[in-house]
Amino acid sequence: DIVMTQTPLSSPVTLGQPASISCRSSQSLVHSDGNTYLSWLQQRPGQPPRLLIYKISNRFSGVPDRFSGTGAGTDFTLKISRVEAEDVGVYYCMQATQSYTFGQGTKLEIK
Amino acid sequence: EVQLVESGGGFVQPGGSLRLSCAASGFTFSTYWMSWVRQAPGKGLEWVANIKQDGSEKYYVDSVKGRFTISRDNAKHSLYLQVNSLRAEDTAVYYCAKTTSTEDAFDIWGQGTMVTVSS
Repeated sequence: DIVMTQTPLSSPVTLGQPASISCRSSQSLVHSDGNTYLSWLQQRPGQPPRLLIYKISNRFSGVPDRFSGTGAGTDFTLKISRVEAEDVGVYYCMQATQSYTFGQGTKLEIK
Repeated sequence: EVQLVESGGGFVQPGGSLRLSCAASGFTFSTYWMSWVRQAPGKGLEWVANIKQDGSEKYYVDSVKGRFTISRDNAKHSLYLQVNSLRAEDTAVYYCAKTTSTEDAFDIWGQGTMVTVSS
């Protein structure tokens, strides 16, 4: 099974400042079809998860452009250019290259 | 509006059973893979099972194989999860999730239904 490891597990951020979350997979997420199936989800308090980014860097419909994804192979990053109050929640990376597994989650909170 | 609405959760004793349902609307249900994902209280997300558009392929996480059964009724735009031989560690919110057309992410999620297993 592919294990997804996120760092940090908690990230206190000042409003208006950038935030960054890392995700590392235990093996390459490059699929045999050449695509890399790494996505990012946001879960606000008391809400279901919401898709933010798919295939490393593609923003899902309606996602603000302050969210961006980068990476390749086994190392990936979600960046928020300027954190807003509505961004508070837990962020998960997820791989869909070999079945589906999630990272442990990173809690984003405001300082 | 694209929507998934789960139901069927509840409180059950160890060894008991439940049938979870997910009603889909706002999209052509029969053309997408569908999944169940669960989240234990205060914990992260765990994919549980998925099913192909026509129901011909089904996959499960190892911890539920032989106990859970995923199914769908495309005429009723509904997804199901039969959960048997429940254990305390199955306690979680169970989410229904739609897979993207390229099967690379879960783009629509329901609000979830809570399953509590306790004596």
